[in-house]
Amino acid sequence: YVLTQPPSVSVAPAETARITCGGNNIGSKSVHWYQQRPGQAPVLVISYNSDRPSGIPERFSGSNFGNTATLTISRVEAGDEADYYCQVWDTDTSHYFFGTGTKVTVL
Amino acid sequence: QVQLVQSGSELKKPGSTVKVSCKASGYTFTSHSLNWVRQAPGQGLQWMGWINTDTGSPAYAQGFTGRFVFSLDTSVSTTYLQISGLKAEDTAVYYCARGGGNFDLWGRGALVTVSS
Repeated sequence: YVLTQPPSVSVAPAETARITCGGNNIGSKSVHWYQQRPGQAPVLVISYNSDRPSGIPERFSGSNFGNTATLTISRVEAGDEADYYCQVWDTDTSHYFFGTGTKVTVL
Repeated sequence: QVQLVQSGSELKKPGSTVKVSCKASGYTFTSHSLNWVRQAPGQGLQWMGWINTDTGSPAYAQGFTGRFVFSLDTSVSTTYLQISGLKAEDTAVYYCARGGGNFDLWGRGALVTVSS
């Protein structure tokens, strides 16, 4: 199961970043999103399409419809600069898949 | 404190074996499965498989069968990843991550470098 993300997204501070994750009928699956800052372990920022774990700012939100899931970061800050990965569980193969990853650069 | 603490970096020669540990604390070890995730230098995340911490039953992703073994020692709340017949392409950071849906807790990662 292939999950396709744009390699990079650039955004100015205080603007909105949208990171897409494309997959065949991904809207029928639960999508999780992870943030990985340089040299650090990934951190869960959105679970089950749109739920924010405790401690994650409200600026992070998610949606999932059709063939595309989207992570939206509002009012982007310098500290949001990181790689972001989507993830799904594929019931057909009993396998987790990660997206290709998107590097977010804050201009 | 809820955390996963992994063993340190390893430098290994091709053909040798490495064993990476991941010790859980702050929660009931057997209540959550544990996953292993590989990240090669400059690359993305790759799921290797998971182990049921209640039964000890492992499941391996495609591409991670044969040389890769997950094991447990529930007496010390620790899971292990053993890789045998190491190759240069096994050079990567190996993460353990808690979860059976999302991965809500990650270790800091263990760097394994394979070089002669």
